[in-house]
Amino acid sequence: DTAVSQTPKYLVTQMGNDKSIKCEQNLGHDTMYWYKQDSKKFLKIMFSYNNKELIINETVPNRFSPKSPDKAHLNLHINSLELGDSAVYFCASSQAIRDYGYTFGSGTRLTVV
Amino acid sequence: QKEVEQNSGPLSVPEGAIASLNCTYSDRGSQSFFWYRQYSGKSPELIMSIYSNGDKEDGRFTAQLNKASQYVSLLIRDSQPSDSATYLCAAPLNTGGFKTIFGAGTRLFVKA
Repeated sequence: DTAVSQTPKYLVTQMGNDKSIKCEQNLGHDTMYWYKQDSKKFLKIMFSYNNKELIINETVPNRFSPKSPDKAHLNLHINSLELGDSAVYFCASSQAIRDYGYTFGSGTRLTVV
Repeated sequence: QKEVEQNSGPLSVPEGAIASLNCTYSDRGSQSFFWYRQYSGKSPELIMSIYSNGDKEDGRFTAQLNKASQYVSLLIRDSQPSDSATYLCAAPLNTGGFKTIFGAGTRLFVKA
């Protein structure tokens, strides 16, 4: 009954590799997000999608490419991984954000070595 | 650059005391405000929301909002060791709700 599920939970990879993180929500929400949480625990928005359409692209390097095949799924592909990409990536979803806030996935801890 | 600011702490309180967490925001257009709790190694969990000036109570939690001062707070009464976590203040920007700014979080320790 997981509301927002992300896979994988942990990802360890070498610099230069390409990797993907998948996210699915079964809450019927229209909007999905990717957030990055760095080592100082600061949560920063990367992308917002509403009904499969990209709404916010927060000056993220174009090595990061989100894809939303339908409003229940939002994936993140990262090309040519760099050491600075190491962080925890959270997927989240919301309905009527102003009233209900976000439901977060469990996060993906990405370590680039 | 719209911001949400919090004291990073750590804030340490004894068990049973009231913990007071504070937050200021810069976007006067923000209409709603949220508090999330994040345990170490876990994802943020929504615990309180507030939209109107004044207080909103939910169990041991009270959120307070003062839009004139651009100030939000969270009070935790009868603090328990299980309340030890990082508390994140968040405000959706007045841009259709698709971008929420999070504060850096306040670490709370409740000592048994």
